[in-house]
Amino acid sequence: DVKVTQSSRYLVKRTGEKVFLECVQDMDHENMFWYRQDPGLGLRLIYFSYDVKMKEKGDIPEGYSVSREKKERFSLILESASTNQTSMYLCASSPWTSGRYEQYFGPGTRLTVT
Amino acid sequence: EDKVVQSPLSLVVHEGDTVTLNCSYEVTNFRSLLWYKQEKKAPTFLFMLTSSGIEKKSGRLSSILDKKELFSILNITATQTGDSAVYLCAAGGTSYGKLTFGQGTILTVHP
Repeated sequence: DVKVTQSSRYLVKRTGEKVFLECVQDMDHENMFWYRQDPGLGLRLIYFSYDVKMKEKGDIPEGYSVSREKKERFSLILESASTNQTSMYLCASSPWTSGRYEQYFGPGTRLTVT
Repeated sequence: EDKVVQSPLSLVVHEGDTVTLNCSYEVTNFRSLLWYKQEKKAPTFLFMLTSSGIEKKSGRLSSILDKKELFSILNITATQTGDSAVYLCAAGGTSYGKLTFGQGTILTVHP
């Protein structure tokens, strides 16, 4: 079974803090993704990575950056947290290079910025 | 811009009812349509469809894709309270396995 883990289930940070969210997958997938999920808006793609050190912006990258130094680990960084970044953050990985499109999700991190 | 629209946005039924959830999509270089179920946690993968007219089935759930009309439906028969969840539809093209998600349909099944 694919296992995707995220470093925290709940996180509370103050405005202006730098925030790191970590994601690890154990299935040797090349592709990894970061989404945020807000009521009524569905899942929106922030960034994705298709290989180590390779990254691409998604639909809403402003205020975020990412790091992929190892294949199994994909980190999302909020450079200076703001209250409008309060959300559920979901990481996913995908065996896309094997011709399969399904993405497997981690449990999510509910981030509150005060 | 790629787009996925689901309807209805919410649905309330009683146990034993049959429901149909709709998903329309506009995705460049479309390759696949996926359905996920999300309870109070991360989405879990249900189906992936790549060819028109092929019905995928898993127990009481089934799904069909129409690539000509650019839509898919998810049917759930004999609903149970455990089917209460948000059902997400997503469409993927050829760009690194990126998926575009719809807003989701909130299904509530009353006993």
